[in-house]
Amino acid sequence: EAQVTQNPRYLITVTGKKLTVTCSQNMNHEYMSWYRQDPGLGLRQIYYSMNVEVTDKGDVPEGYKVSRKEKRNFPLILESPSPNQTSLYFCASAGLGAGADTQYFGPGTRLTVL
Amino acid sequence: SQQGEEDPQALSIQEGENATMNCSYKTSINNLQWYRQNSGRGLVHLILIRSNEREKHSGRLRVTLDTSKKSSSLLITASRAADTASYFCATAAYQAGTALIFGKGTTLSVSS
Repeated sequence: EAQVTQNPRYLITVTGKKLTVTCSQNMNHEYMSWYRQDPGLGLRQIYYSMNVEVTDKGDVPEGYKVSRKEKRNFPLILESPSPNQTSLYFCASAGLGAGADTQYFGPGTRLTVL
Repeated sequence: SQQGEEDPQALSIQEGENATMNCSYKTSINNLQWYRQNSGRGLVHLILIRSNEREKHSGRLRVTLDTSKKSSSLLITASRAADTASYFCATAAYQAGTALIFGKGTTLSVSS
């Protein structure tokens, strides 16, 4: 089954404790992206990757890191989480060929930073 | 930066009625997509319309695109309670280097 998986689905942590949210897709997609969703603000892009070893900042990259060492994985790293990073996070992937524009979303990770 | 802006922000209708949501954007696009999100869950792709298309249908969904006005509308006909969700438009402009930019969404409530 074609899908994007994220782990963990729920996470409660404390300020300053490094964490990683994993994202994996099995569709051989070139493009992967991380979004955060906050009430009243919609989805905002954090980082995206057009292919392996190619990453770029989205609209709200501060406080986040990503890596793309393999095509299928795109982990989101919070080196020193802060309460303003409490949010609902989504990973998404898409092919970049003509007509393959649809993004496929993971189920989301709800992060609370105390 | 956000590109799409949906209107209205919230819409409440009765089952059987039609629901219309609008989206406006600012810059040239390659395509515009509509997504649906049930509360707290991931987004599900509904329909994509390319910049050279004016109208597209998928089941009870009808999407229009007016590139001269930089706007799109999503019509859901004969709404059902199960259509209750948030709906987002998203624009793709590959020259910008990023695939999709989302609006803030329209929350649709369909009561039976």
